[in-house]
Amino acid sequence: AQTVTQSQPEMSVQEAETVTLSCTYDTSESDYYLFWYKQPPSRQMILVIRQEAYKQQNATENRFSVNFQKAAKSFSLKISDSQLGDAAMYFCAYRSRQGGSEKLVFGKGMKLTVNP
Amino acid sequence: DAGITQSPRHKVTETGTPVTLRCHQTENHRYMYWYRQDPGHGLRLIHYSYGVKDTDKGEVSDGYSVSRSKTEDFLLTLESATSSQTSVYFCAISERVPSYEQYFGPGTRLTVT
Repeated sequence: AQTVTQSQPEMSVQEAETVTLSCTYDTSESDYYLFWYKQPPSRQMILVIRQEAYKQQNATENRFSVNFQKAAKSFSLKISDSQLGDAAMYFCAYRSRQGGSEKLVFGKGMKLTVNP
Repeated sequence: DAGITQSPRHKVTETGTPVTLRCHQTENHRYMYWYRQDPGHGLRLIHYSYGVKDTDKGEVSDGYSVSRSKTEDFLLTLESATSSQTSVYFCAISERVPSYEQYFGPGTRLTVT
């Protein structure tokens, strides 16, 4: 079974600086999806970015980018020019591309604090 | 935002009482999911559905049942609520195409006293 590990339960960053959130996963599959979700205090789960394992190019969405290292099974999220609104819980998630349940496996999350 | 609503948004109930949470979508997505979120555990899958009347168990299904009689509605039932089921419950939807990601509802905070 696939597992997702977020080893840092909390991090903090100064406004306007860059922070990297780490995520590792374990799988025997070669094709899959990886996601980062953000959960602000409102509790809403918001998709931040998606990476397809067969794509070598790292995904980027505005100030958010990933460093996808397939061989190392690592999927870190970099937030550039951090803003106060980036303060939230961040969850890494894995999804198999094999047909069937289309289930997501989540890490336990990491709380990001942004200091003004 | 994906059209997903959950009802009720908050509920307090007593131990041993049956409880039903509702998830409603307007996106016509095939897959629907119920998760629970607890501190230190992230989100854990309770049950999911891959079509009308097609459901299966997730990793924490004990004490929960689900039903899906229409594409748009997915119900989660706690037959006899226990204090260990105090949690925040999220519904999610997805489709295989184009991109596989799941979209989440706003969540329901359930307290079992």
